[in-house]
Amino acid sequence: KAGVTQTPRYLIKTRGQQVTLSCSPISGHRSVSWYQQTPGQGLQFLFEYFSETQRNKGNFPGRFSGRQFSNSRSEMNVSTLELGDSALYLCASSSSGQGAGSGANVLTFGAGSRLTVL
Amino acid sequence: AQKITQTQPGMFVQEKEAVTLDCTYDTSDPSYGLFWYKQPSSGEMIFLIYQGSYDQQNATEGRYSLNFQKARKSANLVISASQLGDSAMYFCAMRGNSGGGADGLTFGKGTHLIIQP
Repeated sequence: KAGVTQTPRYLIKTRGQQVTLSCSPISGHRSVSWYQQTPGQGLQFLFEYFSETQRNKGNFPGRFSGRQFSNSRSEMNVSTLELGDSALYLCASSSSGQGAGSGANVLTFGAGSRLTVL
Repeated sequence: AQKITQTQPGMFVQEKEAVTLDCTYDTSDPSYGLFWYKQPSSGEMIFLIYQGSYDQQNATEGRYSLNFQKARKSANLVISASQLGDSAMYFCAMRGNSGGGADGLTFGKGTHLIIQP
């Protein structure tokens, strides 16, 4: 079956602009989460959506937002871009997201969207 | 708060040798999951192996096994018979479970593994 698809793969923006990234999860997966990866901070959790509801959120400013649609596809938006927002943004999906001890909690990641802010 | 520590920033290993990548964790959650992911230069995170905190046996997946020592809070990844294609960044991660919903993954800083012919 098809994996997690992220678009666009690469994009360049300038400071102050906004950006929207898209993620299509594996068919049947209802949980979608987003992560930011930078050389300095490593991999950091942004937020998780399940059945169109944000269920969990990491420690990021309000400029970072997201949403999930009824077909489980998700988008994340970053407004008023800063140079420090340059990163690889990874989307991951899982079947349920419930229960840390469950094997169903395994996240499958997409290839990422690499954002460069100039 | 959860924390993952990977103390080996980089490792060089000869092809066909076994490799152990270290991972220690800290959490107050009674139930949690531990994961290892591989990230080649292409950027995609590839799931390798999973260990639940209540699992009695160490997880194995083909050439990958997880040496889980709960009392020591360690979850080392063992790769047997390493191959050139194993060269990549390796991340240890954990996920707790607070308030009914699974938390986001907490990642370590990673280990850059290079397999030499």
